[in-house]
Amino acid sequence: GAVVSQHPSWVICKSGTSVKIECRSLDFQATTMFWYRQFPKQSLMLMATSNEGSKATYEQGVEKDKFLINHASLTLSTLTVTSAHPEDSSFYICSAHGLAGYNEQFFGPGTRLTVL
Amino acid sequence: GENVEQHPSTLSVQEGDSAVIKCTYSDSASNYFPWYKQELGKGPQLIIDIRSNVGEKKDQRIAVTLNKTAKHFSLHITETQPEDSAVYFCAASNPYTGANSKLTFGKGITLSVRP
Repeated sequence: GAVVSQHPSWVICKSGTSVKIECRSLDFQATTMFWYRQFPKQSLMLMATSNEGSKATYEQGVEKDKFLINHASLTLSTLTVTSAHPEDSSFYICSAHGLAGYNEQFFGPGTRLTVL
Repeated sequence: GENVEQHPSTLSVQEGDSAVIKCTYSDSASNYFPWYKQELGKGPQLIIDIRSNVGEKKDQRIAVTLNKTAKHFSLHITETQPEDSAVYFCAASNPYTGANSKLTFGKGITLSVRP
């Protein structure tokens, strides 16, 4: 149980285009999903927290108009990087929370974004 | 807010030896402490966690201990194997912040198990 998937696993795009990343909880309903980005050899940086059916809460310094998050159902959240630039290249990882126990977060496999 | 420190940044052990990774936290209200293993190019995998109402938890070769007074917790891996080589992250969570169980992560430690 507690499987989280992400799609795509990697994407290469041109500067100025938008990219959508999907995060799905496969065998449980996720009341909350989190989006992180991770640079090489660094820790995970929380970008935003999303709850199903409500607006995402962004961490300080994260541009909400650039990183659009939608949590339309209890099993799906999407992150759209709008007008991507090379500095947005990173490893984006989602996690999901919502099991009977509390606080556990289960992570997806990550999406490698490269902006040319 | 919470601050989680993880030292050292790298650890190398001989296969079969034990490895101990320590973390400290600052918020005495934190009550949930998970450990994640991340292999290269993959997402973090939850390997063990502990809540503040217990002092130790074991799962086969892996154990976690918690000292609430000193505000530190440790991951213990016995009989290490090459496949244990990865980056390990500790984290802490305070459910009373109203932040939907937001985790604060340490910077991670790279464990290398020498064959």
